[in-house]
Amino acid sequence: DQQVKQNSPSLSVQEGRISILNCDYTNSMFDYFLWYKKYPAEGPTFLISISSIKDKNEDGRFTVFLNKSAKHLSLHIVPSQPGDSAVYFCAATGGATNKLIFGTGTLLAVQP
Amino acid sequence: GAVVSQHPSWVICKSGTSVKIECRSLDFQATTMFWYRQFPKQSLMLMATSNEGSKATYEQGVEKDKFLINHASLTLSTLTVTSAHPEDSSFYICSARLAGAAEQYFGPGTRLTVT
Repeated sequence: DQQVKQNSPSLSVQEGRISILNCDYTNSMFDYFLWYKKYPAEGPTFLISISSIKDKNEDGRFTVFLNKSAKHLSLHIVPSQPGDSAVYFCAATGGATNKLIFGTGTLLAVQP
Repeated sequence: GAVVSQHPSWVICKSGTSVKIECRSLDFQATTMFWYRQFPKQSLMLMATSNEGSKATYEQGVEKDKFLINHASLTLSTLTVTSAHPEDSSFYICSARLAGAAEQYFGPGTRLTVT
């Protein structure tokens, strides 16, 4: 049972445009959500997070939106840069667990 | 801040031998550390959760006698792959978390190849 889903395995965007990465979850007990960026053969790097009491959190070029009723969150990167090319994982936690439940990742390619 | 290191970054060993991987939080004390495994083109699979000074909690399907985890201090956790087999070849990643925080900070990973 995949509790956190990233339905787009890949996304290609032109440099300077907006990248929108999507994530859906099924467990209503999740109350904290995170986005990580990962390059091949490296560990994930924490990008941004959001608590369920908020619907938006912004940090520089990165903004995360949370729609609790739809159990959906998205990461917006604007403007996109070639260095943003990586795999992006969303993760969720909450309820009785202290574990992060990861999505399957979306490979973002930002074309120069 | 929140830097996690792993050693070694890659290791090749022969089938039947044991390999130890170290995970250190360099600039913070981690009450909880996690060990993950990643297969090619797949997501991170949590293997176990370790709390300093207590036994690790293993996920279903992970053999605790094969993957020995020790969390002896607030800055160090080790994963020992015992009697390694080729199917244990993988990318192992650790993470560390501050008490009361949800964010996990990941190490750079260790590539294990068993021949």
